[in-house]
Amino acid sequence: GQNIDQPTEMTATEGAIVQINCTYQTSGFNGLFWYQQHAGEAPTFLSYNVLDGLEEKGRFSSFLSRSKGYSYLLLKELQMKDSASYLCAVRRGGATNKLIFGTGTLLAVQP
Amino acid sequence: DTAVSQTPKYLVTQMGNDKSIKCEQNLGHDTMYWYKQDSKKFLKIMFSYNNKELIINETVPNRFSPKSPDKAHLNLHINSLELGDSAVYFCASRRGTGGEGYQETQYFGPGTRLLVL
Repeated sequence: GQNIDQPTEMTATEGAIVQINCTYQTSGFNGLFWYQQHAGEAPTFLSYNVLDGLEEKGRFSSFLSRSKGYSYLLLKELQMKDSASYLCAVRRGGATNKLIFGTGTLLAVQP
Repeated sequence: DTAVSQTPKYLVTQMGNDKSIKCEQNLGHDTMYWYKQDSKKFLKIMFSYNNKELIINETVPNRFSPKSPDKAHLNLHINSLELGDSAVYFCASRRGTGGEGYQETQYFGPGTRLLVL
C-alpha cells in the first residue's frame, strides 16, 4: 500500500524560510514530486527528486532521503504570492508511472 | 497556446443527469490522466490512457467512463450523477510511460468544477 503524510497547515512570515515535510511509505518508489497549487487553480510542477540529496531551484529546494522515506520542500525569502497548497506526490514505478498524492500542506504567508 | 485545456470550467447539474467533460493537450504527450480533487483538496488518480489505451483504472464507480478518441484528447462521461460526485476534476498529461526526470512531469489542466444538486 501507500501512505503519504504532510502537515495540514503552516503559517510563516514574509521574508522568512519555511520547511514543509513529507513522509511516505510506498512500494515501488520511483521518484518524488512537489507541486504548488494556488486556490482555484491547477497544480503546477515545482521539483522532482529520485536520488538522495538536495535539489535547488532558485528560492525553492527539495530534499529526499529514500532510506527514511522522507522529503522536504524548503522555501526561502518567502513572498506573499507563495501562499498556496504544496502537494507531495510519490511516483510508483512500472508501466503506469502512477503518482500518489499527499493531502497537501496549506501555507499562509503573513506580512 | 494553452497546453492542457478542459471544458467546461464550471458544471452545475441535477442528480441523476449524465454529463461529459473534455480534455485536450497540445504538448504532443502520449499519456493523459483524470484526477478527482475533493473538498478536502485530496487529489486522487482515476484513469490514465497511453496512446488511446487504458493503463490505469482505479477503483472508480462504473458510472464513470473515460474515452480517448486520439492521444491528444481524453474525455470523461459520468452517468447518473450523485451528490458525492461534486468535486474538481483535473486532466493531466505526460510525455511517455518510461524514463526518468523532468520529462515525466505531469502537466495539469485548469480543472472542471462539478456541482451536483
